[in-house]
Amino acid sequence: AQSVTQLDSQVPVFEEAPVELRCNYSSSVSVYLFWYVQYPNQGLQLLLKYLSGSTLVKGINGFEAEFNKSQTSFHLRKPSVHISDTAEYFCAVSDNDYKLSFGAGTTVTVRA
Amino acid sequence: DAGVTQSPTHLIKTRGQHVTLRCSPISGHKSVSWYQQVLGQGPQFIFQYYEKEERGRGNFPDRFSARQFPNYSSELNVNALLLGDSALYLCASSGRSINYGYTFGSGTRLTVV
Repeated sequence: AQSVTQLDSQVPVFEEAPVELRCNYSSSVSVYLFWYVQYPNQGLQLLLKYLSGSTLVKGINGFEAEFNKSQTSFHLRKPSVHISDTAEYFCAVSDNDYKLSFGAGTTVTVRA
Repeated sequence: DAGVTQSPTHLIKTRGQHVTLRCSPISGHKSVSWYQQVLGQGPQFIFQYYEKEERGRGNFPDRFSARQFPNYSSELNVNALLLGDSALYLCASSGRSINYGYTFGSGTRLTVV
């Protein structure tokens, strides 16, 4: 069974500064990796996903993530954040084709 | 095109009661999944249905059940509600594999008092 650990529960950051959200996973098999964002009182929106191929994945809204198999990590980055990036971010893993296992989430608060 | 729609958006129930939550998938999607998101935690997988058959079940008690209809919409039923069932219930739809397109609805906020 796979599990996901998001290493930071809260990340405060100033507007236009870079941000990195850390995610580690454990699985004995090949996995697919995802990052989702959740704005208050809304569902989950997919930011990006890694299925295969290049380990650097680019997503929406300027986000990117790097898959590191040896370190079992999938960290999310954005070079310059905006106030509108304030949200909850979830890392998720799948080792099949019918369910996701999510981390506990990282709350990003962007300050002016 | 309409996204994944869930109803109701909010509801309040009393301990011991029963609740039914509904979900309509994106047109063309034959799979519906249900997740429970307790405040401050990540979503937890409850069920997935594909072509009206259960493909997977998470670690939830038998009080939780679901079904999928011929039009691929789905219901999640929870019996004998407990305070701990208070959560945001998310529905997601996809094709056969979730890894190539998985869209979430906005959820149903259930409060058990």
